[in-house]
Amino acid sequence: QAVVTQEPSLTVSPGGTVTLTCGSSTGAVTNGHYPYWIQQKPGQVPRTLIYDTANRHSWTPARFSGSLLGGRAALTLSGALPEDEADYYCWLSFGRGRPWVFGGGTKLTVL
Amino acid sequence: QVQLRESGPGLVKPSETLSLTCSVSGGSISNHYWSWVRQPPGKGLEWIGYIHYSGSTNYSPSLESRITISLDTSKNQFSLNLNSVTAADTAVYYCVRSSSSGGYWGQGTLVTVSS
Repeated sequence: QAVVTQEPSLTVSPGGTVTLTCGSSTGAVTNGHYPYWIQQKPGQVPRTLIYDTANRHSWTPARFSGSLLGGRAALTLSGALPEDEADYYCWLSFGRGRPWVFGGGTKLTVL
Repeated sequence: QVQLRESGPGLVKPSETLSLTCSVSGGSISNHYWSWVRQPPGKGLEWIGYIHYSGSTNYSPSLESRITISLDTSKNQFSLNLNSVTAADTAVYYCVRSSSSGGYWGQGTLVTVSS
């Protein structure tokens, strides 16, 4: 089974910009992996911020954007707010009949 | 707006079967992938498996010998059965809808495996 890797932790200053990335042990992440980015704040239910690489939900603040960067999926936060402190998970599909896999999550601190 | 709600016992004895149902409202159960995801206390998310509206299933290799996911389109529900549970299966279990229109999560339900 593929392993999906994320930075364990990142820190960003309020108002700053940070990029979280998501890699695969099988090779480059592409649009064909349909990358999802999931946000989970402490004690709360996970919610999808980004799906299919770069699509935002109606509830996703515009300061979050998804892309592919250097063979990895990326989530960029521009203009960080204290309320953006959370765990962020990447979720990849590996094709029909193959497992979907979560990354281990990135703990983002706004400080 | 689509809503998902998990239901089932909060306590299951070791070696028995964990059974959960996800009820879907605000949208049809057709045309999407319906997943179960779990999160052990203090840990990350783990994908368990999905059922497609066509009836095809796909399970996590680490769990596939113990799980069955089924769909009841007449009730707009899908279900998870996980047999031979141990304490390691203690987790919050979420049902999730995913498709080209995005991902929607249920509120989650805590299932504790204990005698």
